[in-house]
Amino acid sequence: DIQMTQSPSSLSASVGDRVTITCRASQSISGYLNWYQQKPGKAPNLLIYAGSRLQTGVPSRFSGGGSGTDFTLTIDSLQPEDFATYYCQQSYTTPSTFGPGTKVDF
Amino acid sequence: QVQLVESGGGVVQPGKSLRLSCAASGFTFVSYGMDWVRQAPGKGLEWVAGIWYDGSNENYADSVKGRFTVSRDDSKNTLYLQMNSLRVEDTAVYYCARVSRARFYGAGSLGYWGQGTLVTVSS
Repeated sequence: DIQMTQSPSSLSASVGDRVTITCRASQSISGYLNWYQQKPGKAPNLLIYAGSRLQTGVPSRFSGGGSGTDFTLTIDSLQPEDFATYYCQQSYTTPSTFGPGTKVDF
Repeated sequence: QVQLVESGGGVVQPGKSLRLSCAASGFTFVSYGMDWVRQAPGKGLEWVAGIWYDGSNENYADSVKGRFTVSRDDSKNTLYLQMNSLRVEDTAVYYCARVSRARFYGAGSLGYWGQGTLVTVSS
């Protein structure tokens, strides 16, 4: 199975900051990488799919990049509603796997 | 609008069985693959199982292989997860989720999620 890692596991930021989260796959997954945001007590919400494509309705301050094994999620000008946990997921092959998550807080 | 509603969670003893259901509406169910994802209390997301849109293939995480079975009833627009030989470590909120792309074979991004149902395995 493909293993996913994320760094950092948590970070502290302020409103207006630019935040970058890194996700790494244990083998090449081409561009089959998705990013989700999850708030406490809620289901995850898809932000980015296929590495860099913004899901409909997601603000443009979110962006994704990378290919192969290394990927990034960037949030430009962090907003109060962006404080949450972010997960990457590889959909290159089954079983699909998620990263351990990155918590973004104050 | 797309809606996914899970049910069937509860408290069950180790070694017992439980069946979860996910009622889908607002889209053409037969055209989409469906997955189950779980989240243990205070932990991250774990992909559990998935079934292709035409039901021709099922896939499982190693942690549940041989114990869980995913199925779908397209006549009822419902996804199921039959969970046998439950273990304490299966305790989690179970989400059903829809693969984003229609008529897609394989894993995919998950564009719609239900609210989740809690399964607690405890003696």
